Amino acid sequence: ETGVTQSPTHLIKTRGQQVTLRCSSQSGHNTVSWYQQALGQGPQFIFQYYREEENGRGNFPPRFSGLQFPNYSSELNVNALELDDSALYLCASSLDAGDTEAFFGQGTRLTVV
Amino acid sequence: QKEVEQDPGPLSVPEGAIVSLNCTYSNSAFQYFMWYRQYSRKGPELLMYTYSSGNKEDGRFTAQVDKSSKYISLFIRDSQPSDSATYLCAMSAYGGSQGNLIFGKGTKLSVKP
Repeated sequence: ETGVTQSPTHLIKTRGQQVTLRCSSQSGHNTVSWYQQALGQGPQFIFQYYREEENGRGNFPPRFSGLQFPNYSSELNVNALELDDSALYLCASSLDAGDTEAFFGQGTRLTVV
Repeated sequence: QKEVEQDPGPLSVPEGAIVSLNCTYSNSAFQYFMWYRQYSRKGPELLMYTYSSGNKEDGRFTAQVDKSSKYISLFIRDSQPSDSATYLCAMSAYGGSQGNLIFGKGTKLSVKP
């Protein structure tokens, strides 16, 4: 049990819609990262937040955005959904900025039809 | 060439066998190396974490890093059916707040009773 929970576990959306995925980190974990894992692939880094500020971004377009809140929860928002956005979305939290060991939630499976 | 290469398998072994899982990488800046285990429909779970070169042992698991060859390995001794999962290697050039992880595709392992 990592103490990182994500909601919802599954979601089906239509192409062009917008979606918000949520993550609740362990209390005290100041860093949260989001990853996209397509079927049969390893997770791909989307972005990272540290103390509510974006602190690094992977090769994802601006329609992927995020928020981190003071209560150790965070959101991933995706606008104008495309079929290729279908994937498992994972959040990972770390104790602090100096900690590379990331603890993952169980993920949200997003299907875009 | 991808930054991290990992044979996706599948790899099937009998119970009790020694399992060897490997990744190669191209970015010589990587200093932090991790192995994650991911069961079906779950998020990745951190197994081993190593900084720079050398070996690290934890129970039945041994992680090795050879930076000169850009090669990392995970050995599982006395493999059990409960070890059946996908094993992901991950690495990072920077610790902490810039430490977004670069993952391999994962190797699917099946341990037969």
